[in-house]
Amino acid sequence: NAGVTQTPKFRILKIGQSMTLQCAQDMNHNYMYWYRQDPGMGLKLIYYSVGAGITDKGEVPNGYNVSRSTTEDFPLRLELAAPSQTSVYFCASSSQGRGAHSFEETQYFGPGTRLLVL
Amino acid sequence: GQQVMQIPQYQHVQEGEDFTTYCNSSTTLSNIQWYKQRPGGHPVFLIQLVKSGEVKKQKRLTFQFGEAKKNSSLHITATQTTDVGTYFCAGLNTNAGKSTFGDGTTLTVKP
Repeated sequence: NAGVTQTPKFRILKIGQSMTLQCAQDMNHNYMYWYRQDPGMGLKLIYYSVGAGITDKGEVPNGYNVSRSTTEDFPLRLELAAPSQTSVYFCASSSQGRGAHSFEETQYFGPGTRLLVL
Repeated sequence: GQQVMQIPQYQHVQEGEDFTTYCNSSTTLSNIQWYKQRPGGHPVFLIQLVKSGEVKKQKRLTFQFGEAKKNSSLHITATQTTDVGTYFCAGLNTNAGKSTFGDGTTLTVKP
């Protein structure tokens, strides 16, 4: 299994340009997430999806859009890039489920996409 | 909404010293997960705790889940330079349907 893959690894955008960050997983996970991580900071949830056709906003969704047409893919779209969107973007997937004692979750992260908006 | 607070934000230790990071949730959790992110890398899952009062060990790492399932800790005994990185906790509240990450504790180890 490749796990969670992300493309591109690095991208420079000009202000106002648009791009799509790709994310794919081959573990048949229902849950997928997009996070951004600014230098020296923690993970901020942008959007997440609990299954194909279902998406929901995280804590910092403004300026981004997502779609989930298949279980495997969860692309993140930036329509009008701004310098504030300079960050490292991580995609993750998980299979939440009921274990013996409680609900359980393990998130698997992709290697990240480093985005610089100038 | 659910909040997960993690302290300290940074910890600098001499190699061989112990290290502890603490995680506190504003709500009762179904489970708590711990992740490690090496500098320049991505978060990698370390362990998951699901039972009240649970304690798990991985070599020099000891993970605890509080009795009320609202707090957790990660303790590293005799740190090594390979322990450097940022340690994140993440709490799953099934009412929220997703885990909430703490801001992480960044550990540096002086050889």
